[in-house]
Amino acid sequence: GDSVTQMEGPVTLSEEAFLTINCTYTATGYPSLFWYVQYPGEGLQLLLKATKADDKGSNKGFEATYRKETTSFHLEKGSVQVSDSAVYFCALWARDTGRRALTFGSGTRLQVQP
Amino acid sequence: DGGITQSPKYLFRKEGQNVTLSCEQNLNHDAMYWYRQDPGQGLRLIYYSQIVNDFQKGDIAEGYSVSREKKESFPLTVTSAQKNPTAFYLCASSIWDPDSPLHFGNGTRLTVT
Repeated sequence: GDSVTQMEGPVTLSEEAFLTINCTYTATGYPSLFWYVQYPGEGLQLLLKATKADDKGSNKGFEATYRKETTSFHLEKGSVQVSDSAVYFCALWARDTGRRALTFGSGTRLQVQP
Repeated sequence: DGGITQSPKYLFRKEGQNVTLSCEQNLNHDAMYWYRQDPGQGLRLIYYSQIVNDFQKGDIAEGYSVSREKKESFPLTVTSAQKNPTAFYLCASSIWDPDSPLHFGNGTRLTVT
């Protein structure tokens, strides 16, 4: 079945450091890929997405590129801030399966220290 | 303001009792979803619904039931058949399909003792 694998956390960085959170997937066909973020005490919200190979999603300084050859969608940010501390979820929608819901990874907690 | 409301925020029940979690949205979204969040396991899909009076099982539907009598509402019942009901439950909605952003509620934390 479809699945998403994320690097385990927590990831602890100092402010202004470079961030990478790895995400790889297994899916039928050509899925859409997403990053969602969950701030403390809240539900998730969409951070960025890419719907086809080589697309780059970007938002709030975060970027991720859909790499079909490596089945990856790694999240990057050049300079993190304390306010970026949250849990980040990679997700996919395998439209070819007929299932009209997202499959999420296990989440990666990011802690940014001043 | 439009959004999704989950209530209550915290819920406590005794083992053997059924409990219903509320989820209401005023975004005029067709699709609604229930996910369960456990530490280290991410979000797992329980049920989803694309239209009124129709819903589909997700990956962990056993021990749960839902209804979709109104477009705005998608309540989840955790039955006594659910072996490990203590968890954080998240409701979400989207315009139609998952390519459109999912809007999440703030969740209900259920504790069963």
